[in-house]
Amino acid sequence: AQSVTQPDIHITVSEGASLELRCNYSYGATPYLFWYVQSPGQGLQLLLKYFSGDTLVQGIKGFEAEFKRSQSSFNLRKPSVHWSDAAEYFCAVVDSGNTGKLIFGQGTTLQVKP
Amino acid sequence: NAGVTQTPKFRVLKTGQSMTLLCAQDMNHEYMYWYRQDPGMGLRLIHYSVGEGTTAKGEVPDGYNVSRLKKQNFLLGLESAAPSQTSVYFCASSWRHPVDFNSPLHFGNGTRLTVT
Repeated sequence: AQSVTQPDIHITVSEGASLELRCNYSYGATPYLFWYVQSPGQGLQLLLKYFSGDTLVQGIKGFEAEFKRSQSSFNLRKPSVHWSDAAEYFCAVVDSGNTGKLIFGQGTTLQVKP
Repeated sequence: NAGVTQTPKFRVLKTGQSMTLLCAQDMNHEYMYWYRQDPGMGLRLIHYSVGEGTTAKGEVPDGYNVSRLKKQNFLLGLESAAPSQTSVYFCASSWRHPVDFNSPLHFGNGTRLTVT
């Protein structure tokens, strides 16, 4: 069965520092991968997605992610973090069947220090 | 456009009580989903629907029922609430299958349910 693992539960970075959030997936075929962000009290907002093609994907709010098949990873990066980036981040993969359901990782909470 | 609207936003139930959570979308989406979010566990799928009149079980369906009588609405019912159902519930919808590049998943803002 497919699964998604986000090894870091909490990450704290200083404002202006670079950020990398890790995501590893378990999937037999070419995965469809997503990163979502959730601000406190809000629903999830799509940051970016990878379906095929270029392995470096650009998203909203200055985020990017790189798909590495050899490492089964889809890590999220941002060169310079802003205080408003403090939120919970979820990596997800689409189930291989026809349901369209997403399988989510456990989430990583990002704290930004001033 | 309202997008995906969930009602209510908050609810406190006593063990054994019943309630229905409503999800409404105004985007003519075919696919609708109910997830629950618990600390350290991400989002887990409860039930889903791939079109009006259809429903199917997700990962954690026990204790919940759903109905999709109208395309725009997806109802989640708890017949006899238990403390283990204390959670934040999210509804999501998409026009087509989420692997369609032009069919992103839209989420509601969640319903926070506490069962005492």
